[in-house]
Amino acid sequence: QVQLLESGGGVVQPGRSLRLSCAASGSSLSAHAMHWVRQPPGAGLEWVAVVSFDGSNTDYADSVKGRFTISRDTSNNTLYLHMNSLRSEDTAVYYCATYSSSYFFDYWGQGALVTVSS
Amino acid sequence: AIQMTQSPSSLSASVGDTVTITCRASQGIANDLGWYQQKPGKAPKVLIYLASNLQDGVPPRFSGSGSGTDFSLTISSLQPEDFATYYCLQDYNYPWTFGQGTKVEIK
Repeated sequence: QVQLLESGGGVVQPGRSLRLSCAASGSSLSAHAMHWVRQPPGAGLEWVAVVSFDGSNTDYADSVKGRFTISRDTSNNTLYLHMNSLRSEDTAVYYCATYSSSYFFDYWGQGALVTVSS
Repeated sequence: AIQMTQSPSSLSASVGDTVTITCRASQGIANDLGWYQQKPGKAPKVLIYLASNLQDGVPPRFSGSGSGTDFSLTISSLQPEDFATYYCLQDYNYPWTFGQGTKVEIK
């Protein structure tokens, strides 16, 4: 059983940067691709980014490409999302999630709220 | 990017009703589609994967069908705990995309 705990959310001004972390416990994440999914207040889900099990491959939603960077540290079982040039439309709850070998998101964090506002 | 058109955006139903939610992909995605349930303040939970496979522990009143571009989620005999928002997700190619969501409300 995997537990995921996001941290690093908060209020940030437009144009500034923020880093989210997702720490895993209960099992190693080294065999899983890891994703970030976000949800603006009162809105639907948006897939944000993925990093492969070994960190060698990444992909992004068009809305964040060039501004966000996903990475992982397998030595401390942690996933990151580096967010630069933040915009008001990036305001959302950000979830980290593992993608199982059976082709679905199986474990999710509790979510971290990021608010971009002056 | 593949667009996922989900309908309806909301529906009202009674306990015991059968409801169907559909998702249409803008291009073929084989059977690379999942259905997720989300309750307020909670992370989503998978119900169906690979279009028609019921995740362990999910009641059999949930079923999924479709392939290619047209998919559906059917909930038979709605229960009080089924009132939630449902999303489809295409995981065929990146960027992955969710449908807009369907809120199932109590009539």
